[in-house]
Amino acid sequence: AQKVTQAQTEISVVEKEDVTLDCVYETRDTTYYLFWYKQPPSGELVFLIRRNSFDEQNEISGRYSWNFQKSTSSFNFTITASQVVDSAVYFCALSGGGQNFVFGPGTRLSVLP
Amino acid sequence: DGGITQSPKYLFRKEGQNVTLSCEQNLNHDAMYWYRQDPGQGLRLIYYSQIVNDFQKGDIAEGYSVSREKKESFPLTVTSAQKNPTAFYLCASSIIPISYNEQFFGPGTRLTVL
Repeated sequence: AQKVTQAQTEISVVEKEDVTLDCVYETRDTTYYLFWYKQPPSGELVFLIRRNSFDEQNEISGRYSWNFQKSTSSFNFTITASQVVDSAVYFCALSGGGQNFVFGPGTRLSVLP
Repeated sequence: DGGITQSPKYLFRKEGQNVTLSCEQNLNHDAMYWYRQDPGQGLRLIYYSQIVNDFQKGDIAEGYSVSREKKESFPLTVTSAQKNPTAFYLCASSIIPISYNEQFFGPGTRLTVL
């Protein structure tokens, strides 16, 4: 069975601090995909990134970066120099041979001014 | 603008009533999905459809029903058999139902049972 764990339920940081959101996954598939989504207060989930199981390169996009490590089954997300607009719930998700997504419980990030 | 629309944004219903949530997409996506989100929990899959006139149960299908008569539309009915229907419901779509395709989400419908 596939499973995604986001151990941090809530995180609060002060603006301009760096913050890392943890994601640990379980799967028996050799080919799988990992995703991060952002859910702002409006409710709509916004796609941030997709990573496949064969590509362990870290990715950076502006203030966002992602660290994928198969050895520890982790796909962590770091926001550098956080801003108030980063306040949201962030979900990590896993998709494998069964096609359907499995979402983690989410981490609520509050960035205080 | 292409996207997914869900209506209504807020819905109230009395116990024992069926209610239908609308989901429409103009992205020309083949696959559509319904998720339920409860406070502090991740999204749980209710139903999904890979193609018109076909749909499959997800992890928590009991008390729900769907139809897929048109590619653009995937309405969800919450029946009176659903014991705890108060939740936030999200509709999503993907270009084809392959695991590497990201899903695009609508703005959601918040259902409250009075």
